[in-house]
Amino acid sequence: DIQLTQSPSFLSASVGDRVTITCRASQVTNNYLAWYQQKPGKAPKLLIYHASTLQTGVPSRFSGSGSGAEFTLTIGSLQPEDLATYYCLQLATYPRTFGQGTKVEV
Amino acid sequence: QVQLVQSGAEVKKPGSSVKVSCKASGGSFNSYTITWVRQAPGQGLEWMGRIVPILGLTNYAQNFQGRVTITADKSTSTAYMELSSLRSEDTAIYYCARDLDVVVPSPIAYWGQGTLVTVSS
Repeated sequence: DIQLTQSPSFLSASVGDRVTITCRASQVTNNYLAWYQQKPGKAPKLLIYHASTLQTGVPSRFSGSGSGAEFTLTIGSLQPEDLATYYCLQLATYPRTFGQGTKVEV
Repeated sequence: QVQLVQSGAEVKKPGSSVKVSCKASGGSFNSYTITWVRQAPGQGLEWMGRIVPILGLTNYAQNFQGRVTITADKSTSTAYMELSSLRSEDTAIYYCARDLDVVVPSPIAYWGQGTLVTVSS
């Protein structure tokens, strides 16, 4: 199984800050990686897939990059509504696996 | 639009089984992968398994092998997840979800509202 390691596990930032979350895979995933945002008490929401494709309706301050086995989610200018936990998910093989999550405090 | 509606909360005894349903609407049920993900209280997301209804093809996470069964009823556009030999650590919210696209690989894009399963004696 592919293991995903996110860093950091927790971060505190201010409104307007640029925030970066990293997801490292134990093997190459051919850019088949997605990012999700989960707010308290809600189901996750798809933000980015195939490493850098922005899902329809997601604000452009969210972006994804990376290749091979290292990927990054960037929030260009943090907003109060971005308080959430962010997860990566590899789509390269079954079983799928999630990263452990990064909690973002604003 | 795509909607996934799950069955209601359950309270189960250790050692018993639970079966959660997920009824899909607003799209072609048969061709899209349906996935089950769980989240224990205060914990992260855990991928459990998936089914492609038109093929009956399933994959399961190693952690659940032998305890989880995912099925689909194409006539009612409903997917099911049954987890057996329940223990307290299985207390969690269980989500069903559907892929964005039929082109593989596709990310999970649509989620049910979640079903809380509590395992307690």
